[in-house]
Amino acid sequence: KNEVEQSPQNLTAQEGEFITINCSYSVGISALHWLQQHPGGGIVSLFMLSSGKKKHGRLIATINIQEKHSSLHITASHPRDSAVYICAVGPEDTDKLIFGTGTRLQVFP
Amino acid sequence: NAGVTQTPKFRVLKTGQSMTLLCAQDMNHEYMYWYRQDPGMGLRLIHYSVGEGTTAKGEVPDGYNVSRLKKQNFLLGLESAAPSQTSVYFCASSRPGLARGGGYNEQFFGPGTRLTVL
Repeated sequence: KNEVEQSPQNLTAQEGEFITINCSYSVGISALHWLQQHPGGGIVSLFMLSSGKKKHGRLIATINIQEKHSSLHITASHPRDSAVYICAVGPEDTDKLIFGTGTRLQVFP
Repeated sequence: NAGVTQTPKFRVLKTGQSMTLLCAQDMNHEYMYWYRQDPGMGLRLIHYSVGEGTTAKGEVPDGYNVSRLKKQNFLLGLESAAPSQTSVYFCASSRPGLARGGGYNEQFFGPGTRLTVL
């Protein structure tokens, strides 16, 4: 069993829909990261959080440390949101990240 | 600032050939990482470095070597390439680790190197 599980693996949406991507993990962590990988391949960090909730524009990330679960929400989705969204966790007292396999999102006009 | 750069962007090798991938960062980051990304799998850590002159093995280190002679550069070497090393390779860097460990810091990624071994 992977230490970081994401769901769904693939997601299609119509422009304007509210989107939720889930991430569950099985280890104690210092922080959880959400990253975005565009079709061109580049990877950028969206959020790093260790508790509560963070918001950046139309993106919202939440984490429940007790339940070992995080969600990434996209409000009013747009075709430019089409990308692979990757969840990664930083286990306590390590210098490494463990990555999920990603959720491929396609938003159609 | 260029951020994290990788050289080359694409490369095709024959089995048994050797090559070196170069990662450079201009953010004065202490930590640097080499990952590989394969279809259907998450990014997997090959080797990493927590400072100049230091390296450590990650999850999939076999067949690779690394060196961190200068703080800004992290080199990944393939001594004898195999088809199983066909992959996209990403370099990343992050700020000095806090007491909680490097996983607490945002990682900045390079654009990737697509390597094919025939």
